[in-house]
Amino acid sequence: NAGVMQNPRHLVRRRGQEARLRCSPMKGHSHVYWYRQLPEEGLKFMVYLQKENIIDESGMPKERFSAEFPKEGPSILRIQQVVRGDSAAYFCASSPPGFGGYTFGSGTRLTVV
Amino acid sequence: DQQVKQNSPSLSVQEGRISILNCDYTNSMFDYFLWYKKYPAEGPTFLISISSIKDKNEDGRFTVFLNKSAKHLSLHIVPSQPGDSAVYFCAAFPAGGTSYGKLTFGQGTILTVHP
Repeated sequence: NAGVMQNPRHLVRRRGQEARLRCSPMKGHSHVYWYRQLPEEGLKFMVYLQKENIIDESGMPKERFSAEFPKEGPSILRIQQVVRGDSAAYFCASSPPGFGGYTFGSGTRLTVV
Repeated sequence: DQQVKQNSPSLSVQEGRISILNCDYTNSMFDYFLWYKKYPAEGPTFLISISSIKDKNEDGRFTVFLNKSAKHLSLHIVPSQPGDSAVYFCAAFPAGGTSYGKLTFGQGTILTVHP
């Protein structure tokens, strides 16, 4: 039973480019959460999605960031026109309905140069 | 607005002794509390949790204590082992509504257990 799969593990983008981060939840999990960890800080909630629905995006920056969890395929966190301050580790977690089994992926480390 | 705080950035303990990691919170709506362990270049791994109706939960070497009136929780690891060396995060979320499952994390405490 594969865990939460995130890819790529490492992503380097130049300023102004787009970054796409993918998260495949565990089998049977219909809830996906994205978190960001800046250097020397804890994880900060970004967005909570269910299939084809954004439930809570209160942690998402107002501009350049978007997330989706389509009916088929992985959840995508998209960052347009990246800036150096977007450099961070981005973690995805998934869970079934209810909280039990909430599991994190290994993260994507985004570096903006 | 740091709603969950871990005021000790680091803790160093001798193997076999007790490690005590502390966490304070300010949001009285938090109903469920968790501790995660994180190694470099990996995602957080769930350790132990406690709901607000309890004041203690134990799982092997790990015990979490919750003092709701003080808005304080602690994680005790005994005996500590070198393999416990990692960053430990406490996290919390409210029980209901659309915030269910939306974790608020502390800044983390780096635990080092010396052989």
